[in-house]
Amino acid sequence: DQQVKQNSPSLSVQEGRISILNCDYTNSMFDYFLWYKKYPAEGPTFLISISSIKDKNEDGRFTVFLNKSAKHLSLHIVPSQPGDSAVYFCAALPLSNFGNEKLTFGTGTRLTIIP
Amino acid sequence: KAGVTQTPRYLIKTRGQQVTLSCSPISGHRSVSWYQQTPGQGLQFLFEYFSETQRNKGNFPGRFSGRQFSNSRSEMNVSTLELGDSALYLCASSLDRAAEAFFGQGTRLTVV
Repeated sequence: DQQVKQNSPSLSVQEGRISILNCDYTNSMFDYFLWYKKYPAEGPTFLISISSIKDKNEDGRFTVFLNKSAKHLSLHIVPSQPGDSAVYFCAALPLSNFGNEKLTFGTGTRLTIIP
Repeated sequence: KAGVTQTPRYLIKTRGQQVTLSCSPISGHRSVSWYQQTPGQGLQFLFEYFSETQRNKGNFPGRFSGRQFSNSRSEMNVSTLELGDSALYLCASSLDRAAEAFFGQGTRLTVV
């Protein structure tokens, strides 16, 4: 039972354009969402997060949007750069359930930025 | 400040054997979580240890076990290895909250 879904295994975007990565979740207990970026042979690194009390969080070129009613979030990267080529994982957890905060990850989207 | 260190980086084992993976968290971090990454499955949560106690557990069979020492270092053991256990095993540490976790580079286990 995949509670966090990333339905696009891969995405190719021209350098300088906008990259949009999508994520859907099914568990209503999730109230905190994170995006991680992973290069080959490295562990995931935290990129940006959003609490369920917000619908948008921005950090430089990265913006995460949350639509709670649709149980959907998206990561926008603009402008896309070659160094953004990586696998992106969406993750969710029940932050309010202190002590039971295991991260649930999606299957990842491989983003390729074309120069 | 040193990051999360996992050893070994690569491992090849034979079906039926057992294996122990090690994780040294960031200094001061008391929570250590383990994840299995396989193609098409993303990262799946194995278990979390906090102050030497297992605090959370995922849906893996009993062949997967772990422990945490008083210095917060953690080990993960897999007994009676199966071909399907071939994966990247990632360890993450945090002071306390999962949302603040930092990941190690992982141990690539290949079962032949």
